[in-house]
Amino acid sequence: GAVVSQHPSWVICKSGTSVKIECRSLDFQATTMFWYRQFPKQSLMLMATSNEGSKATYEQGVEKDKFLINHASLTLSTLTVTSAHPEDSSFYICSANPLAGEAYNEQFFGPGTRLTVL
Amino acid sequence: AQTVTQSQPEMSVQEAETVTLSCTYDTSESDYYLFWYKQPPSRQMILVIRQEAYKQQNATENRFSVNFQKAAKSFSLKISDSQLGDAAMYFCAYRDSNYQLIWGAGTKLIIKP
Repeated sequence: GAVVSQHPSWVICKSGTSVKIECRSLDFQATTMFWYRQFPKQSLMLMATSNEGSKATYEQGVEKDKFLINHASLTLSTLTVTSAHPEDSSFYICSANPLAGEAYNEQFFGPGTRLTVL
Repeated sequence: AQTVTQSQPEMSVQEAETVTLSCTYDTSESDYYLFWYKQPPSRQMILVIRQEAYKQQNATENRFSVNFQKAAKSFSLKISDSQLGDAAMYFCAYRDSNYQLIWGAGTKLIIKP
């Protein structure tokens, strides 16, 4: 149990286009989902916290107009990178915090999405 | 603000031997959770072990165990009988009251056959 999927697993796009990444909790409901960015050989950097039905909370330095987050249901959050540029190329990871149950205090991670902007 | 420090960028161990990865943290909270995550080359984050601060007993999961020293704010991971599949980046993380994870910089574990 406690599986989180991400789609797509990798994407290549042209500079100036927008890319949407989906994060789904497959077998549990999640009130809170988190979006991270990870550069090579570095730790995870929290970008934003997404709560179902409300606006996401962005970390300092993360442009909310560039990284649009929508958490429309208890099983789906999306991250849209708008007008992507090469510096947005990175590995993006989502995680989900179960609504209740034994794993309430854990975060479960998606497999990540590798974004390359040409 | 809470911080997590992993002072070992890289560790290596002979297969079947034991290795300990260090982690220290800073917090003013009394109740919290600590985690060790493993990130293999696939980059999928995998939970290795977790510790609830109010529990004095150290958590164990098969070959993985922790040495949790609350007063010293130390949370080290011991891997016994190291296997080739244990090779990965290991991250220590602290969960704050907003359920956000504060991450250490990571330790790359190399297993020598």
